[in-house]
Parts: sequence; structure tokens; C-alpha cells
Amino acid sequence: NAGVTQTPKFQVLKTGQSMTLQCAQDMNHEYMSWYRQDPGMGLRLIHYSVGAGITDQGEVPNGYNVSRSTTEDFPLRLLSAAPSQTSVYFCASSYRQGREEQFFGPGTRLTVL
Amino acid sequence: AQTVTQSQPEMSVQEAETVTLSCTYDTSESDYYLFWYKQPPSRQMILVIRQEAYKQQNATENRFSVNFQKAAKSFSLKISDSQLGDAAMYFCAYRRGSYNTDKLIFGTGTRLQVFP
Repeated sequence: NAGVTQTPKFQVLKTGQSMTLQCAQDMNHEYMSWYRQDPGMGLRLIHYSVGAGITDQGEVPNGYNVSRSTTEDFPLRLLSAAPSQTSVYFCASSYRQGREEQFFGPGTRLTVL
Repeated sequence: AQTVTQSQPEMSVQEAETVTLSCTYDTSESDYYLFWYKQPPSRQMILVIRQEAYKQQNATENRFSVNFQKAAKSFSLKISDSQLGDAAMYFCAYRRGSYNTDKLIFGTGTRLQVFP
């Protein structure tokens, strides 16, 4: 199993550009989520999904869109990048039960100039 | 809304000594799970230990153990015989529910330094 994969690993954008961060998992996990990590603020939830076709907002959803057309993929779209979106982004997945461990991808470091 | 608080931004410990990282949480739920994750400089998130709220017994994984005080809503992590490889960011996390999936909520993290 490849686990949770994220692409790209690094990205530099200009203000106003759009892009999609890719996330895929091959563990047949129902639950997938996106976090951003900023110094001193821990991991904040952006969006999450409990299954294909179902998504919901987390703590900091503004400026981001998600969709879940398949169990395996959960892309995160930045609509119009802003410097405030400079961060490290993590995708995670798990089985549905609350006790289940979240498996994290390696992260994407995004810089918006 | 549920919240998780880690009040120690940084901690340090001497190799082979014991250190305790603090975590408190706020919830009105009775059924939930608590986790400690480790993030070394590689940035990879690694599960260290988990605790089911309905279990009174504190979870233990080798040198890592927790002190779970449900009434006080406290969930501290004790690392015994600290090793240089334990140096990392440690995040406490909360998740509601058993069969109904809910989001995982993280604290702001504690950076642990281990000195030889």
C-alpha cells in the first residue's frame, strides 16, 4: 500500500492564482480530511469528508473548495490564492469509527507571493 | 464546540529522564477518543497513543503512557527514559463518537527538546 499520497510536495503561487492540491489513499478509508499547519496554531481543519459525495466544512474553510467523487481521492482547490494561505497542508484519512488512527500524507508546503 | 488546549509551547528533557506533556479538552460528549501524535522534523505525523473515554485504565505503549482524568478533562502524555529520537512536536487530539465519524480536533502542539 502507498498509504496517503499528496502532490505536489512544494508549490509557489502568485496572489490570485488558483491550483489544486491532490490527495489519494489506497486503504479504502471512508473518512478524509485536509488540515493546514501554521506556526503556533497547530493543525486546523479545512474540510473533511465521510464518504464519496459527502463533504463538510472544518474550522477554516474560506478560500478552499473540495469534492469527493471517489473513495480514493480528495482534492483541495485554492480558488484565488492569497498570502494568508501560505502554509503546510496535510491530507489525512481513516476508517469511520472514532477510535481509528488518522493516516497522514507527507504534506505540501505552499508559498503564496 | 469541542476544544483542545496544550498550554506548554515548549518543553525540554535530559536524555533518560521522564517528561510530561499536558493537554486539556472541553466537550459535553460522553463518548470520545483522545490521541497523541508526534511530528518529527521530517514532518510526518505519527500516532503515539490513543485513549477511549469509556476506559478507566490509562493507555500505555512502551515508554509512552497517559494520565487520563475524565472528570478534569485532562489527558497528559508521559515519556519515560527519553531518547534523542523523541525530540519532535507533539499534538494532542480529540475525536467524538464511536460509530459515527466526526472530525479530529488538534491542540496547538508542544515542541519537545531532548538534551544528551
